[in-house]
Amino acid sequence: ELKVEQNPLFLSMQEGKNYTIYCNYSTTSDRLYWYRQDPGKSLESLFVLLSNGAVKQEGRLMASLDTKARLSTLHITAAVHDLSATYFCAVGTIGGATNKLIFGTGTLLAVQP
Amino acid sequence: KAGVTQTPRYLIKTRGQQVTLSCSPISGHRSVSWYQQTPGQGLQFLFEYFSETQRNKGNFPGRFSGRQFSNSRSEMNVSTLELGDSALYLCASSRTHDRPNSPLHFGNGTRLTVT
Repeated sequence: ELKVEQNPLFLSMQEGKNYTIYCNYSTTSDRLYWYRQDPGKSLESLFVLLSNGAVKQEGRLMASLDTKARLSTLHITAAVHDLSATYFCAVGTIGGATNKLIFGTGTLLAVQP
Repeated sequence: KAGVTQTPRYLIKTRGQQVTLSCSPISGHRSVSWYQQTPGQGLQFLFEYFSETQRNKGNFPGRFSGRQFSNSRSEMNVSTLELGDSALYLCASSRTHDRPNSPLHFGNGTRLTVT
């Protein structure tokens, strides 16, 4: 059974600092997604990672995927308050023609001024 | 382009009642998935529909059911509501079910409270 773990669960950081959120998954997968959720809002797609070594960047966020280690990272560079949100990684079952995703527990990011 | 639309936004029901939630996907999207979000269990997959067929079902009791219509709109139904069914129910759509490079687009959800 595919399990997805994220850490940390909660991250309080100061503006201008860098940090990394980790996403580990238990069985082989060929796709990993990162989503952002603001309080009371829905999930917003950030990145789609499909191959080993894939790296995607958007603004201060950069995501990478290591399929051999079954690990994805979401790196935050020079954090700003607007990045405060909950970040989820989600993994799909390999080869499955399906939109069934297994989500991580989420990381609540609070960026302090 | 309109996003995924879910109605109603909020619902309050009592134990034992049943409820129907509605989801209209993004125009041109034929795959609809449903997820339950609770503080304790996080985001959990309920079911997935494509071309009016249920393609996948999560580990939920039979009280949870759904369907998809020919226009790709979807409904989910929960019968004999329990307090533990209180959650945010999210609907997500994508063009198809077998294109991994196409992420799910989520609606704003229906917040169900069971008293």
